[in-house]
Amino acid sequence: EPEVTQTPSHQVTQMGQEVILRCVPISNHLYFYWYRQILGQKVEFLVSFYNNEISEKSEIFDDQFSVERPDGSNFTLKIRSTKLEDSAMYFCASSEVQQGTGELFFGEGSRLTVL
Amino acid sequence: GDSVTQMEGPVTLSEEAFLTINCTYTATGYPSLFWYVQYPGEGLQLLLKATKADDKGSNKGFEATYRKETTSFHLEKGSVQVSDSAVYFCALSPGSARQLTFGSGTQLTVLP
Repeated sequence: EPEVTQTPSHQVTQMGQEVILRCVPISNHLYFYWYRQILGQKVEFLVSFYNNEISEKSEIFDDQFSVERPDGSNFTLKIRSTKLEDSAMYFCASSEVQQGTGELFFGEGSRLTVL
Repeated sequence: GDSVTQMEGPVTLSEEAFLTINCTYTATGYPSLFWYVQYPGEGLQLLLKATKADDKGSNKGFEATYRKETTSFHLEKGSVQVSDSAVYFCALSPGSARQLTFGSGTQLTVLP
């Protein structure tokens, strides 16, 4: 069964360092997303991506964050200068259609720990 | 803004017990409602959904009915199994928006 894969599963970094989280969405999906969950809190929407551009982003997704689809398969989330409060589980997701109507397929998550 | 409130966990049940996980929502318009499940070491998976009032979503013995009058979408299962142990997330998506709003998740542990 097709699945969304994420790497790394866990990354530990120092505050101020750049981090890139990688995702391989399901191959025929057109919409891509990043969500995050700070420990003990809700899963929060960060950004959606379609047709090689951001289609929607939340207030959390500030100038420190960026997304990219550098080739035909990968979808990355970059945090330029990590802060302690960026420590969270980051989930990538993809869908065939816009998420309001169709199913999102999530990866297992990448746990980011900022020290 | 839109929000989802879920029953606080963790919930621990014996095998074959009846399960209810409460979920209520606040949203403008007519959102679609979802239950996602996360098994240990895996990503979130769609369990069931309902797109309009009075719809019942069902899958793997789980059910939830979209109740507009009470703004609720409670998850139920008549007889849980050990393999149902997971974290369950209620979520909504407003009709015109592109993002999911999640509840905080409820950890379910089923003991043999």
